[in-house]
Formats: sequence, C-alpha cells, structure tokens
Amino acid sequence: EADIYQTPRYLVIGTGKKITLECSQTMGHDKMYWYQQDPGMELHLIHYSYGVNSTEKGDLSSESTVSRIRTEHFPLTLESARPSHTSQYLCASSEYPPTVNTEAFFGQGTRLTVV
Amino acid sequence: AQSVTQLGSHVSVSEGALVLLRCNYSSSVPPYLFWYVQYPNQGLQLLLKYTTGATLVKGINGFEAEFKKSETSFHLTKPSAHMSDAAEYFCAVSDRSSASKIIFGSGTRLSIRP
Repeated sequence: EADIYQTPRYLVIGTGKKITLECSQTMGHDKMYWYQQDPGMELHLIHYSYGVNSTEKGDLSSESTVSRIRTEHFPLTLESARPSHTSQYLCASSEYPPTVNTEAFFGQGTRLTVV
Repeated sequence: AQSVTQLGSHVSVSEGALVLLRCNYSSSVPPYLFWYVQYPNQGLQLLLKYTTGATLVKGINGFEAEFKKSETSFHLTKPSAHMSDAAEYFCAVSDRSSASKIIFGSGTRLSIRP
C-alpha cells in the first residue's frame, strides 16, 4: 500500500546530540516537504525538494539540513540538538508537477523533545 | 505571495449543530485550496480540495467547502457536528501555476459539546 512513513514517532534526546529524522514514501512522488509544527499547532515549511538532488529552504529559517539522494527518502538532520528544536516535525509528499492529485500526503509526524 | 487566514483559533459547537470554519486566502492567481484535519498525535489527513470546476466541494466525513472567488474564501461546513469531529483543522493554499509550496493557515481547533 502506498504510504509515507516517519521514524521515530517520538524522540527524547540530550542537548548537543546529532539526530536524523527519517521520512520515506512509496507513492513515487517527486515533491517532498518538511514542516515544523509548534505547540500552537501552526505549521511552518522549513524544507522542500522537487526531486533527487534538489533541496530548498522553506519560509521558516531552520538550523536543520536535508538531503535527497533517492526519490523515496528525505531525511532531516540536526547536527547539534538544542531545547529550542523541541517540536513536532511533519514530512509530506506530493506529485510534481501536479496533475489531478494536487494535495500533499502527510506522515504521522515525529515529536522531538530535546532536554 | 500567497497566504491563508483562518478566523478563530478555537471554535466550539454543540453536537448536532452546524459547523462553520472560516478560511480566507490571498493569491495573485486562482489557487488550489485544501482543508486538512489533524487528530491528536497524528499527521494531517486531506478532507477535501478545490482545483477546478464546481465551486462546492464535498469531502469525507460529511464536510463540504465552497470556493468563492469574489470573497477569496473557502469556508468549511458540516450540517450536523459529531463528537468524532473534534480535531484541529487546517486550510491550505498552493499556487496553481508553480505548485511550489503548500502554505497552511494557523489552524482552528474544533471542540464538540455533548
């Protein structure tokens, strides 16, 4: 079944640690996104990609980095985690260019807590 | 630049009452418009979308929304609220010409009173 997966679902980690949040999709979508969702529930686009070897910064500045070596995989990395990085991170994918299906499909999210 | 405004961060209605969640957008060209729902500790699920054609769009769980170009609005409605409708609802917009980003509103938390 085509889907989008995020791991881990929950992560508690100490300050200064390097972490990678995984996102994989089996829908063959070229476009992928990372959103950061703050406690007020607002979604902020932090990274997106049009396809392999494409990465773009979103509207909200983030200390995280992303890579897109394979179409189905779009990991997000924090080199040195800080408490200010505590948030929920949502990965999504969509067709590009859009045809009939213009919407984004979301993973279940990773809730990150940095202590 | 595109933007989305959701009026009311929290809406509370009684079970069986009409649900109305407001969304206004700003876009230089007719956009794609979406409503998503988010249940606690979950990702976002598409409720409905407007791309082209009929301006009244029906979605899952009895929700519908109407695209009104003159009002730049895409309000979400449901005739009769159910307890299971309690969730966070997000309106979103995407540029029709480039589809480069999907921009979300700040969300509206819907509570249902017994």
